[in-house]
Amino acid sequence: SAVISQKPSRDICQRGTSLTIQCQVDSQVTMMFWYRQQPGQSLTLIATANQGSEATYESGFVIDKFPISRPNLTFSTLTVSNMSPEDSSIYLCSVEEARANYGYTFGSGTRLTVV
Amino acid sequence: AQSVTQLDSHVSVSEGTPVLLRCNYSSSYSPSLFWYVQHPNKGLQLLLKYTSAATLVKGINGFEAEFKKSETSFHLTKPSAHMSDAAEYFCVVSGRDFGNEKLTFGTGTRLTIIP
Repeated sequence: SAVISQKPSRDICQRGTSLTIQCQVDSQVTMMFWYRQQPGQSLTLIATANQGSEATYESGFVIDKFPISRPNLTFSTLTVSNMSPEDSSIYLCSVEEARANYGYTFGSGTRLTVV
Repeated sequence: AQSVTQLDSHVSVSEGTPVLLRCNYSSSYSPSLFWYVQHPNKGLQLLLKYTSAATLVKGINGFEAEFKKSETSFHLTKPSAHMSDAAEYFCVVSGRDFGNEKLTFGTGTRLTIIP
C-alpha cells in the first residue's frame, strides 16, 4: 500500500494562530483527502484536493478557514487558520490506492490542541 | 446522498467468543463498503473492502463481513475475539457525490474484550 508521511504528528497552538499540516505520499495519486476527527467522534471529510485545481470543500468547511495546497501528485498541505479551541481535533490525510480492492490509506494524523 | 449507521456505539465480548459489529448503509447506487479499525493513538487500518464481487469478504486478522443488499447491511464478524481486537471500528461507504468520489464514515463502534 501507499505510505503516507504526515507531519507534525501533534502540536499545541495559541488561539488566533495558524498551523500548516503536510502530507507526503510515496507514490503519485490523483486525489488526496483531508479529514477531521473531533474528540470521541468519527471522521468528517473536509475537502478533496486534486492536483492542478482548486480543492472541493464539504458543507460546513470553507477555504478561508482551511486553505489547501496541492502543488504536485505526491504532496498536499492543509492549513488551519485563525484557530480557536473548537479546532482541537485530529486531522488526517488520505489517498485512494491505485490497486483494486485496497481501499483508502490514511496518514497517522496530526493531533492539534488549541489553547 | 449516502449514509452509514453503526447500530452499536459500544460492544463488549469475552475473549474467545464471537464478535458481531453491525452496520447498515444507504446509497443511491452500488456502493463500495469498508471496515476500518483504529487502535488507541494509532492511525486507521483497512480491515476489508467490498466492491460488488463476492458478497462474503474476508479481511485481515480473521475478520469477515457479508454484504446483504436486501437488508442494506454489511456486518463485521469474527469467530473468536482476541484481546488485541480491542479498538474502535468504523463502517465506511464510498460513492460518487456530484462527481467526486468520497467516503462517508459511520459513528464508530468501540469494541471491548473482557479477559
